[in-house]
Amino acid sequence: DSGVTQTPKHLITATGQRVTLRCSPRSGDLSVYWYQQSLDQGLQFLIHYYNGEERAKGNILERFSAQQFPDLHSELNLSSLELGDSALYFCASSVFGQGDTIYFGEGSWLTVV
Amino acid sequence: AQSVSQHNHHVILSEAASLELGCNYSYGGTVNLFWYVQYPGQHLQLLLKYFSGDPLVKGIKGFEAEFIKSKFSFNLRKPSVQWSDTAEYFCAVRGNQAGTALIFGKGTTLSVSS
Repeated sequence: DSGVTQTPKHLITATGQRVTLRCSPRSGDLSVYWYQQSLDQGLQFLIHYYNGEERAKGNILERFSAQQFPDLHSELNLSSLELGDSALYFCASSVFGQGDTIYFGEGSWLTVV
Repeated sequence: AQSVSQHNHHVILSEAASLELGCNYSYGGTVNLFWYVQYPGQHLQLLLKYFSGDPLVKGIKGFEAEFIKSKFSFNLRKPSVQWSDTAEYFCAVRGNQAGTALIFGKGTTLSVSS
């Protein structure tokens, strides 16, 4: 158990819908990262938040957004869903410091039908 | 552009065989290097990491990796694999500045037959 908690574990939804994935980082970790894992694209970095502020963006679509709340949990919002958005979405956290290790949650499986 | 290349997409070995998975990276500046493992249906777990110092790093479950700066490589090795090592292995790189994100390779699927 990495200490990073993600909900829901599995989600099935229809095209055009909107979903929210939730992540609670490890206790004491200020940084939260979101990744998307799909068969064709592999593990893609989406976005990074530190202490409530966006720090870096990766390959995140405009239909996707994220935020980190004062209690440090984070949410990834996926809207206007398409079949190609079906993937495993990982949240990861770290302390935030030079040489810190990033720990991953168990992921949220999203299936768009 | 920053990137990580894993040479082997799928490796099939018998138990007790030796393993070496290749990883090369392209990244400007000082890097931190990682190998993660993902067992079927599970999340990513850290196998080992290199930040600085001895370029030969030892991780969990008998794995080790060697950082060769001149070759931009960080290959993973294990002298004798077990059936339980069947999993997907990901090499990853990040800059050593605080908060930089991991860039992953495409992964290598290892299948070990008993």
